[in-house]
Amino acid sequence: EVQLVESGGGLVQPGASLKLSCVASGFTFSDYWMSWVRQTPGKTMEWIGDIKYDGSYTNYAPSLKNRFTISRDNAKSTLYLQMSNVRSEDTATYYCTSGLSGWFAYWGQGTLVTVSS
Amino acid sequence: DTVMTQSPASMSTSVGERVTVNCKASQSVGTVVAWFQQKPGQSPKRLIYLATNRHTGVPDRFTGSGFGRDFTLTISNVEAEDLAVYYCLQYDSIPRTFGGGTKLELK
Repeated sequence: EVQLVESGGGLVQPGASLKLSCVASGFTFSDYWMSWVRQTPGKTMEWIGDIKYDGSYTNYAPSLKNRFTISRDNAKSTLYLQMSNVRSEDTATYYCTSGLSGWFAYWGQGTLVTVSS
Repeated sequence: DTVMTQSPASMSTSVGERVTVNCKASQSVGTVVAWFQQKPGQSPKRLIYLATNRHTGVPDRFTGSGFGRDFTLTISNVEAEDLAVYYCLQYDSIPRTFGGGTKLELK
């Protein structure tokens, strides 16, 4: 069974940094592209970026490229999202999704990030 | 950026009815479109990929169609469990972009 489990969310102050993790199981993690997507409290969905199966290439939403970094550790079957200089508009539920069976085929349960002082 | 204009924003239906959700892309995306279902308190689940292909285990009452700029998700014989929010997504180009969502409710 494919499982994606995000963690690392919580309450963070504006301007701080935060690193989210997504542990994958049930498939060969190192064979697939992975993506991060977020959903605002108003339910708007926003794609953040993708990372190639070997970590050698990334795509980002232009509006987030300067503050967010996606990485992965295939030995640990873990995907990461490093967020820096967070803002109130970054408040959202963050999901990782797998490229197994095609793009955005499987999603984790999400981790909530709340940016507030 | 490719804007995905999804309509309607919400709709009411009855069990057994047929409903359609539409997405219009601001430029051609070929068939590189997916549809997702999100029930309250749950993460999104992929229903359709590459415009017309059902994800594993998705009932055949869900049908995707379209090419280029215009895409449709059709739910035939709506069941109570289909009440959810539906989103389209184009993943043909960067940035990948979602529609605004369609909330399906019972009359």
